[in-house]
Amino acid sequence: QVQLQESGPGLVKPSQNLSLTCTVSSGSLTSGSYFWSWIRQPAGKGLEWIGRIYSSETTNYNPSLKGRVTISMNTSKNQFSLKLRSVTAADTAVYYCARGGNLAIALDVWGKGTTVTVSS
Amino acid sequence: SYVLTQPPSVSVAPGKTARITCGGNNIGSKGVHWYQHKAGQAPLLVIYHDVDRPSGIPERFSGSNSGNTATLTISRVEAGDEADYYCHVWDSSPDHGDVFGTGTKVTVL
Repeated sequence: QVQLQESGPGLVKPSQNLSLTCTVSSGSLTSGSYFWSWIRQPAGKGLEWIGRIYSSETTNYNPSLKGRVTISMNTSKNQFSLKLRSVTAADTAVYYCARGGNLAIALDVWGKGTTVTVSS
Repeated sequence: SYVLTQPPSVSVAPGKTARITCGGNNIGSKGVHWYQHKAGQAPLLVIYHDVDRPSGIPERFSGSNSGNTATLTISRVEAGDEADYYCHVWDSSPDHGDVFGTGTKVTVL
């Protein structure tokens, strides 16, 4: 059973960069036709897609975040990462990583989420 | 960009049927996925590709999709079904990407 676990700083200062890592266990980042996604949820709001990366390292990003976001993978560590530049308070949210591509493009495995607060 | 609109809330008595709609332009041409999201937990996929249920999801959960509306139906609602529900599609337009619906809070009376 594949499991995902997000990790990274819980507090980031405004204008700095947010960096999170998702570790994939009991499965390979590059097996099958999977892709790996980041999604976030600000408090009291809905889910917002951030972007995805395929095993080929092709990426797609939310147009509203394009220019600030980079998703990458480290196959030797079986991890993929999110970097969001120049954060503001609006980037405060619970960040989730998830897997897609097993059941159409549905996200069938999710991490438990990690809270990131942007504050000085 | 593509927009998916859901009613903010749906209330239903135990044992009754809850229907949650997801409106989008010609959504019937896209594959729709539905997630149940309880506070403090990871979202859970309950329906994928319009009508299919992942392993372990009760038959009480079903989906349909046609025209401009997709629907998640929860039959014989239980207290444990109380949660937020989100629809999800892939938008293949030039600014393509995953799109989530606005979310619906299901309250079991």
